[in-house]
Amino acid sequence: DAGVTQSPTHLIKTRGQQVTLRCSPKSGHDTVSWYQQALGQGPQFIFQYYEEEERQRGNFPDRFSGHQFPNYSSELNVNALLLGDSALYLCASSLGRPTGNTEAFFGQGTRLTVV
Amino acid sequence: AQSVTQLDSHVSVSEGTPVLLRCNYSSSYSPSLFWYVQHPNKGLQLLLKYTSAATLVKGINGFEAEFKKSETSFHLTKPSAHMSDAAEYFCVVIQPGSNYQLIWGAGTKLIIKP
Repeated sequence: DAGVTQSPTHLIKTRGQQVTLRCSPKSGHDTVSWYQQALGQGPQFIFQYYEEEERQRGNFPDRFSGHQFPNYSSELNVNALLLGDSALYLCASSLGRPTGNTEAFFGQGTRLTVV
Repeated sequence: AQSVTQLDSHVSVSEGTPVLLRCNYSSSYSPSLFWYVQHPNKGLQLLLKYTSAATLVKGINGFEAEFKKSETSFHLTKPSAHMSDAAEYFCVVIQPGSNYQLIWGAGTKLIIKP
């Protein structure tokens, strides 16, 4: 049973470029959340997708967008990259609408470096 | 609004000695609380969770945490540290008033001395 898989594992982009990160959820999970983790900090919530729609969004600009496909996999797109976008991007999957008892499973992340 | 404070950015213990990682929370609701561990170059793994059942929660790898409502704390402990415990640990609270969004502490880096 594959867990949450993310690709690529590492990525280097130039300021101003666009990037797409991909996530396949744990088998049986239908909800995907994306987080940004800057060096030395805890993860910051970007957004969550359920039933192919963005259900929640954190405090991130519109340059950050996403998509969820019918097979529940998801993409995170970042436009007009800034140096400050350099971080570990984590994908988490879970089952159903979130509740107080929801357990999220995380991928290993994509390390994005913007130069 | 919910928030989480991890009181130590770094904790250093000798192998075989007890571990204590401190977490305080603020919540307007009866909270759900989690501890996650992140090993270098690996994803986050759930250690344990509290969801209003028993206040002493046992997790994986010998870790446990006690929910103390009067102290608004959820400290993580382990009786005897192992070298493999060296990692970053995150305390997390679920915010039910915002579609159950996860609110993360800043993390505590656990260093194990041989």
